[in-house]
Amino acid sequence: DVKVTQSSRYLVKRTGEKVFLECVQDMDHENMFWYRQDPGLGLRLIYFSYDVKMKEKGDIPEGYSVSREKKERFSLILESASTNQTSMYLCASRASGRSYEQYFGPGTRLTVT
Amino acid sequence: AQSVAQPEDQVNVAEGNPLTVKCTYSVSGNPYLFWYVQYPNRGLQFLLKYITGDNLVKGSYGFEAEFNKSQTSFHLKKPSALVSDSALYFCAVRETGGATNKLIFGTGTLLAVQP
Repeated sequence: DVKVTQSSRYLVKRTGEKVFLECVQDMDHENMFWYRQDPGLGLRLIYFSYDVKMKEKGDIPEGYSVSREKKERFSLILESASTNQTSMYLCASRASGRSYEQYFGPGTRLTVT
Repeated sequence: AQSVAQPEDQVNVAEGNPLTVKCTYSVSGNPYLFWYVQYPNRGLQFLLKYITGDNLVKGSYGFEAEFNKSQTSFHLKKPSALVSDSALYFCAVRETGGATNKLIFGTGTLLAVQP
């Protein structure tokens, strides 16, 4: 089974702090994704990566950056956390090819005070 | 613009009754469609997908979904609901026309099964 893990389930940070969210997958997937989930808005794509050191902006990249130095690890960085970044953050991975389903981690609920 | 719509924020059904969670989509070309389920404070779990072939797709936990091209719909169904099916359900479609094969998600439907 595919396993996607995220470094924290719950996180509380102060406004202006730099925040790192880590995601690791163990199935050698090429593609990895970061989403945020907010009530009534569903899942919105922040960034994705289709290879090591490669990244593409998603629909809402403002205020975020990412890093992918190793195939199995994809990090989301909030350069200066703000209260409107309080949300559930979900990481996902997917193999290349025609199997388009994504596999999700358990999520990190981030609160910025 | 390519999109997915889940017209119901919440669906209520009694245990043992059939359930339907609705999804409609708008993409160019042939759609690749997915259903995911999210239990409280958990990530999304893949339920089933339609890529090609039979319009009725069977998935995990007794769920199935019916692809209807003329109505651009992909409704999730189960013949007999369980209380444990109560969760948030997301429909998704693969974005076409680009090189990234991103998934576009609906806003989710909360399924509440009453005992």
